[in-house]
Amino acid sequence: DQQVKQNSPSLSVQEGRISILNCDYTNSMFDYFLWYKKYPAEGPTFLISISSIKDKNEDGRFTVFLNKSAKHLSLHIVPSQPGDSAVYFCAAVSGTYKYIFGTGTRLKVLA
Amino acid sequence: EAGVTQFPSHSVIEKGQTVTLRCDPISGHDNLYWYRRVMGKEIKFLLHFVKESKQDESGMPNNRFLAERTGGTYSTLKVQPAELEDSGVYFCASSHNAGNEKLFFGSGTQLSVL
Repeated sequence: DQQVKQNSPSLSVQEGRISILNCDYTNSMFDYFLWYKKYPAEGPTFLISISSIKDKNEDGRFTVFLNKSAKHLSLHIVPSQPGDSAVYFCAAVSGTYKYIFGTGTRLKVLA
Repeated sequence: EAGVTQFPSHSVIEKGQTVTLRCDPISGHDNLYWYRRVMGKEIKFLLHFVKESKQDESGMPNNRFLAERTGGTYSTLKVQPAELEDSGVYFCASSHNAGNEKLFFGSGTQLSVL
């Protein structure tokens, strides 16, 4: 039973354009959400997070949007750069402290 | 400050053998997590330590897997005997607090069971 779903396994975007990565979740108890970026042969690295009391968090080129009623979050990268090419994972956690990750979306930014 | 370190980075073993993975969390981090990723799948939770205690081991696949964190510092994950389906990348992560804080991941151990 997949509680965190990333339905797009891959995404290609032109350099300079916006990348939008999506994530859906099923557990309404999740109260903290995170995005991680992973390069080959490396561990996931933290990118940005959002608490369930907010609907938007911005950090430079990265913005995460949370729609609690739809149980949906998205990561926007503007402008996209070739160095952003990686696999992006969304994750969610509740008071049980078990961080649940999605299957990842492979982003390719074309120069 | 050193990050989360994992050893070995790669391990190739035959079915039926034993393998022990090690994780050194960031110093001072009470929370330590083990995860596994099979290619193309999610990063799947295995278990969570708070200091030396197992907070949640609901993700451990079966009793062939044994995790320990003696003294609340480094942790080991032993697979005995290994089966083909145990292949994947095993990640360790740590955090100071739990629940509303980011996890810091190690580079992972690529386990191949032949």
